[in-house]
This record gives sequence, structure tokens and C-alpha cells, in this order.
Amino acid sequence: DAGVTQSPTHLIKTRGQHVTLRCSPISGHKSVSWYQQVLGQGPQFIFQYYEKEERGRGNFPDRFSARQFPNYSSELNVNALLLGDSALYLCASSGAHEQYFGPGTRLTVT
Amino acid sequence: AQSVAQPEDQVNVAEGNPLTVKCTYSVSGNPYLFWYVQYPNRGLQFLLKYITGDNLVKGSYGFEAEFNKSQTSFHLKKPSALVSDSALYFCAVPPRGHSGNTGKLIFGQGTTLQVKP
Repeated sequence: DAGVTQSPTHLIKTRGQHVTLRCSPISGHKSVSWYQQVLGQGPQFIFQYYEKEERGRGNFPDRFSARQFPNYSSELNVNALLLGDSALYLCASSGAHEQYFGPGTRLTVT
Repeated sequence: AQSVAQPEDQVNVAEGNPLTVKCTYSVSGNPYLFWYVQYPNRGLQFLLKYITGDNLVKGSYGFEAEFNKSQTSFHLKKPSALVSDSALYFCAVPPRGHSGNTGKLIFGQGTTLQVKP
């Protein structure tokens, strides 16, 4: 059974641009969460979606948005990119007992 | 607010020796506690969790963790370290009021484990 998948693997953007990151959860999982992991730190919670509705939002500016589709896949959008948005973006899908993480998308903003 | 702290940035241990990676927590109510591992350029992998019951929790890859309520600690342990255990380890806790929600976690800053041959 496939795990959580994310695309793209790596991405380089310029300040001011926008970016869309994609995530497919484990089959049967209805919850998808997004985290930002800056180098040298632990992951920081950005969003959780469950059954296509936002279930929680972390302390991130409105430039960050997300959505979940009927097949439970999800997109994370970041507008007006800043240098500080450079990070590993992790997606996780949740079963009854724990989260399973994807390999992440490495975003570099120059 | 719920939080976890990992007091050591790095832990060094020789292969075959026991290892301990420390985590202390600050939570209201009954704690739900998790350990995850991250290998270079990879996502996080679940190791184990404590919800209730036995204070010694057994997890993946031979790891275990000991829940200590009086010391508010949840240290990760392994009796005999392997070079392949070298990775970044994170302790985590759900936010207040979200104990049953596995989709939202607060992570510690991480501890790098180096196992030397």
C-alpha cells in the first residue's frame, strides 16, 4: 500500500512568487495535515483538513492557504513568498492512532 | 500551553551501547506523547506513543520509551545502539484540547543521535 506522497520533491522560487504543493494521503485516511520544518527546528503545524473542511490552523500568516479535495488529496498554497518561507514542507495523513508523514517538499526561496 | 522540550541538541553513543534521548513535557490533563525519527532528506517516521497504561512503551526498531509522571519525562531508549539509528529524533504532544486528534502535533526542537562504530 502506498504511503503519503508529495510533489514536487524540490522547488526553487523567487521572492514574491506563489507556490502550490501537493499531497496524497494514505488510502482510507480522511485527515491531512501540513507542517513547515525550517532547518534545525522541529516541524511547525500549519493546517489540518478533515473531510474537506479546515479543522485547525497554526500561527501562520494569511499568505498560507490550503484545501482538500473530494479524494482527500490536498494542496498547500503560499503567496508572496519571502526568503523565510524556505523550508521543508511536510504533509501527513492520520489514521485512528497516529500520523504518517510524506517525504516532504524542499522549497527554496531566492 | 502544551509543550515538550528536548534538552540535548546532540547525543553521541558507541555502537552496542545503550542510548537515551531525553524529552520533558508540560501538559494539562493526561498527556499523549509521541516519538518520531527523521532520517536525512526524509519525512518523519512514527516510533511509539504513550496514551495510558504501562509506563514502558515499546515501539518500532527496538526502541522503547519510559513515561515518568513525577519527573514529567518521556525519554526514548534502546538497549543496544546501531550505526543505522543515527538520525534526528523528535518528541511531540497534541495541543491542549486535541488529545484525541492525531492530526495536530507540537514538536520539540529535535535531538541528533550519532552512533559511532
